[in-house]
Amino acid sequence: ETGVTQTPRHLVMGMTNKKSLKCEQHLGHNAMYWYKQSAKKPLELMFVYSLEERVENNSVPSRFSPECPNSSHLFLHLHTLQPEDSALYLCASSQVLAGPYEQYFGPGTRLTVT
Amino acid sequence: GENVEQHPSTLSVQEGDSAVIKCTYSDSASNYFPWYKQELGKRPQLIIDIRSNVGEKKDQRIAVTLNKTAKHFSLHITETQPEDSAVYFCAAIRDDKIIFGKGTRLHILP
Repeated sequence: ETGVTQTPRHLVMGMTNKKSLKCEQHLGHNAMYWYKQSAKKPLELMFVYSLEERVENNSVPSRFSPECPNSSHLFLHLHTLQPEDSALYLCASSQVLAGPYEQYFGPGTRLTVT
Repeated sequence: GENVEQHPSTLSVQEGDSAVIKCTYSDSASNYFPWYKQELGKRPQLIIDIRSNVGEKKDQRIAVTLNKTAKHFSLHITETQPEDSAVYFCAAIRDDKIIFGKGTRLHILP
């Protein structure tokens, strides 16, 4: 088991629901990431946080809203999602932003939007 | 914009044979090139990486080569085993940018 945990592991939500995904890292890392993994785009970077500040937003729709209250926690708030948002959402952390440092991935949250 | 192309998307090799996966990148400022392995139902995990000041790196049956001039790097797996079956992702990273390839699904045939 790595030092990155994600909850819930599975989530089914309707298009009008609001839910949040949670990620926690116990590695003392300073950078955290949200990825979307689907059949069409196997590993798509969504958001990057470094020292709790967002440094990258790869043209992600506003129905996805990230939050990083401290360097150990990362949230992804979801509202009015579409069926095409169904995917595996992976959180990752690294010692510092990008650079020659390994990214440690969490187990992911399997999201189904009905 | 920056891009990482990964080929092939699917690869089947006989157990014991070698497998090669290739990636090309467009951003010449990229200086770190990791490879991640994702087994079915599991999270991606780093298996090997190479920095831009090195041309080749080997770890047991796995090796990575980098050609900075041509901007491509490759993963080599020798003496493949059933447990090598997985999806492999390459990535090109510079100080503030991370771009992953689209992955290669490797099947090891008995």
